Amino acid sequence: QKEVEQNSGPLSVPEGAIASLNCTYSDRGSQSFFWYRQYSGKSPELIMFIYSNGDKEDGRFTAQLNKASQYVSLLIRDSQPSDSATYLCVVNLPTGGFKTIFGAGTRLFVKA
Amino acid sequence: SAVISQKPSRDICQRGTSLTIQCQVDSQVTMMFWYRQQPGQSLTLIATANQGSEATYESGFVIDKFPISRPNLTFSTLTVSNMSPEDSSIYLCSAGRGMVRQETQYFGPGTRLLVL
Repeated sequence: QKEVEQNSGPLSVPEGAIASLNCTYSDRGSQSFFWYRQYSGKSPELIMFIYSNGDKEDGRFTAQLNKASQYVSLLIRDSQPSDSATYLCVVNLPTGGFKTIFGAGTRLFVKA
Repeated sequence: SAVISQKPSRDICQRGTSLTIQCQVDSQVTMMFWYRQQPGQSLTLIATANQGSEATYESGFVIDKFPISRPNLTFSTLTVSNMSPEDSSIYLCSAGRGMVRQETQYFGPGTRLLVL
């Protein structure tokens, strides 16, 4: 069973704080990792992808990958109420191409 | 990136009928997919739409219930057949290049289906 696990939340943080979203995956050979954001009633949109161990920064977002621990996270600095959404961790399996598994998502609330 | 449109955006259907959902991509893409998302749940992959051949279905989904067509690189349809209330869901089309380290998927706005 290929799994991607996330805490469903809700995770509540005050405006301006750092929101930390975590994800673990079961297939050690997984190669590509994505974070999508989904606002209520909308379709998912890509925030970041990461392929290599370490950190990858894009504006207020930082993705962190630790393949040894099978762990990927997303940090959101200076959280804004507009960041309130469900964040989906997505893992591409090592079968090649597009075999992707979606996590159940973590709901984030940023309080003004 | 790719811009994806779907229609209809929503529909209310009677039990036992069928609905065909259309997905159009604004650029040529290698891969197109159909997902279902039930309220409060994450996305479940129904199938990969293959150009000019039968779709590849995930476990729990069959062609008789969810026939899919993809006549060219930019267009696909999903039919939900012989609908029951359990088919009420959001159906999402996605597309991507399908290349190693270019696996990003872009999603359409979704079709909200209610079966009475």
